[in-house]
Amino acid sequence: DAGVTQSPTHLIKTRGQHVTLRCSPISGHKSVSWYQQVLGQGPQFIFQYYEKEERGRGNFPDRFSARQFPNYSSELNVNALLLGDSALYLCASSLALGTGFDQPQHFGDGTRLSIL
Amino acid sequence: AQKITQTQPGMFVQEKEAVTLDCTYDTSDPSYGLFWYKQPSSGEMIFLIYQGSYDQQNATEGRYSLNFQKARKSANLVISASQLGDSAMYFCAMSLDYQGGKLIFGQGTELSVKP
Repeated sequence: DAGVTQSPTHLIKTRGQHVTLRCSPISGHKSVSWYQQVLGQGPQFIFQYYEKEERGRGNFPDRFSARQFPNYSSELNVNALLLGDSALYLCASSLALGTGFDQPQHFGDGTRLSIL
Repeated sequence: AQKITQTQPGMFVQEKEAVTLDCTYDTSDPSYGLFWYKQPSSGEMIFLIYQGSYDQQNATEGRYSLNFQKARKSANLVISASQLGDSAMYFCAMSLDYQGGKLIFGQGTELSVKP
């Protein structure tokens, strides 16, 4: 079975531009979460979506937005890119039964975003 | 505030020996989950093991075991019989019942296995 797939794998943008990152969850998983991992740190939670509804939002500015589609895939959008947005962006999916806190999240390989 | 602390930035272990990676957590929520993930240099996060706050026994998954000491708020990962392929970053993470699937990660520990 295919795992979580993310695209693109690498991306280079300049300050002020906009970027869209894509994620396809494991088949049967209805929850998708996004994390930002800056070099040398642990991942930071950005968003969680379940059944196309936003279930949680981390401490990120409004420049960050996301959505989930009927097939449970998801997009993360970042507007007005800053140098500090350079990071590895990880997508994770889970079954999310109940509140989902006790189910492991399975991660994709990530998108490495570099801002020049 | 909810927090995960990993105090060992780097660890070395000889191949075939056991190693313990430390993790302490802070929450007043009675219902939570604790996870360990492995991140090789390629970047993907690999789920290793899970422990629930109400679980009476320590979790085990093959060579991985979780030493859960609730009173001390610690959830240390024990890797037995280390292999060269175990060299990677290891992250401890916590989820809270009322926050659903949001994971709170520690800073990570870089493990190097020596031949």
